Amino acid sequence: KQEVTQIPAALSVPEGENLVLNCSFTDSAIYNLQWFRQDPGKGLTSLLLIQSSQREQTSGRLNASLDKSSGRSTLYIAASQPGDSATYLCAVGLSNFGNEKLTFGTGTRLTIIP
Amino acid sequence: DAGVTQSPTHLIKTRGQHVTLRCSPISGHKSVSWYQQVLGQGPQFIFQYYEKEERGRGNFPDRFSARQFPNYSSELNVNALLLGDSALYLCASSLVETQYFGPGTRLLVL
Repeated sequence: KQEVTQIPAALSVPEGENLVLNCSFTDSAIYNLQWFRQDPGKGLTSLLLIQSSQREQTSGRLNASLDKSSGRSTLYIAASQPGDSATYLCAVGLSNFGNEKLTFGTGTRLTIIP
Repeated sequence: DAGVTQSPTHLIKTRGQHVTLRCSPISGHKSVSWYQQVLGQGPQFIFQYYEKEERGRGNFPDRFSARQFPNYSSELNVNALLLGDSALYLCASSLVETQYFGPGTRLLVL
């Protein structure tokens, strides 16, 4: 059974700092890995998707890496801003399109201190 | 284009009742998935439908059922509600791989 872990559960950093969020998974036979952002009481916003054959993806100030063999992914946020405050969830997909169950971690609650 | 829409946004039910939640995917998306998110936890997979066929089912009791209509919208039904069914129910649609989530329906069972 695939298990996804995110550590730490909560993180507070001053505005402007760079930070790294961690995600680990137990079964390396994944199809892709997706990072999401969730604001309180809201749905999920997709940030980045990394295919199992890729090592990293970048979007603006965000960079996600994937090391499938070690079962780890990181989300790097550069020059953090108060608007980055949210819960960040990683999820692994085990199959290709048409059969796309995602297994989620419990998230890291990020607070950026102005 | 409109994103994934879900209705209702909030719902209060009592134990033993039945509930129907609705989801409209992004135009052109044929795959719809349902997730349950209990407070403080990550979403848990319930069902996935693609082209009106069930493609996956999570570890949920038979009280949970779903279907997808010809226009690719979907319904999630939960019978005999329990207090533990209180959660945020999320619907996601996809065209290729990236899943796009709706705002969710918050269900409270009293």
